[in-house]
Amino acid sequence: SSELTQDPAVSVALGQTVRITCQGDSLRGHYASWYQQKPGQAPIVVIYGDNFRPSGIPDRFSGSGSGTSASLTITGAHAEDEADYYCHSRDSSGNVVVFGRGTKLTVL
Amino acid sequence: QVQLQESGPGLVNPSQTLSLTCTVSGDSISGGDHYLNWIRQHPGKGLEWIGSISDSGKTYYSPSLKSRLTISVDTSKSQFSLELNSVTAADTAVYYCARELSRKYSIFGGVGHYYVMDVWGQGTTVTVSS
Repeated sequence: SSELTQDPAVSVALGQTVRITCQGDSLRGHYASWYQQKPGQAPIVVIYGDNFRPSGIPDRFSGSGSGTSASLTITGAHAEDEADYYCHSRDSSGNVVVFGRGTKLTVL
Repeated sequence: QVQLQESGPGLVNPSQTLSLTCTVSGDSISGGDHYLNWIRQHPGKGLEWIGSISDSGKTYYSPSLKSRLTISVDTSKSQFSLELNSVTAADTAVYYCARELSRKYSIFGGVGHYYVMDVWGQGTTVTVSS
């Protein structure tokens, strides 16, 4: 299967650490990329590769991956981190883009 | 700085063809190891991949949309386009274009490989209604 599985919703207390996970065969051999999407906005990439952050993304965002799973960790969550988060890769052929269904992060 | 901008009609009649264009600025539309993608998002739902065109001009389509879909590129205008025919209300969504890089790199113990959609358009809302 080329699906990527994410928990639909996760919550974290302000200042605490949260991990968002993504699982699927599409991650075998490829690292996931992670996107943050706030209401009414286009997604932006927050993590790609084994743990690369684009310029402007705070270092409280980190990523890891192994085998068929990947995770996005926010260490010391801020209120502005409340958003939907999607993982992404391609299937084993490289021909089909796969997105996870998204995780809605609530910062309490 | 690379920018992508979607354009096209915001309202399409049922059974007609939805046509959108994505204009790329700030970088060449050609070049190695990238894809140009169309993605859509139904109201309140997740991201749905529509299709891609590679830097070599090869197209890849979502199996669920393949029979109705054409993606093309015009490098002279730095644009790529989407045509989705026989639309219904189920095609009402926000449509995004995005550049996707494919990169392999050396990593301790081997080679890492990732795909990343590093640049997105702002999105354009398309409503299918009469």
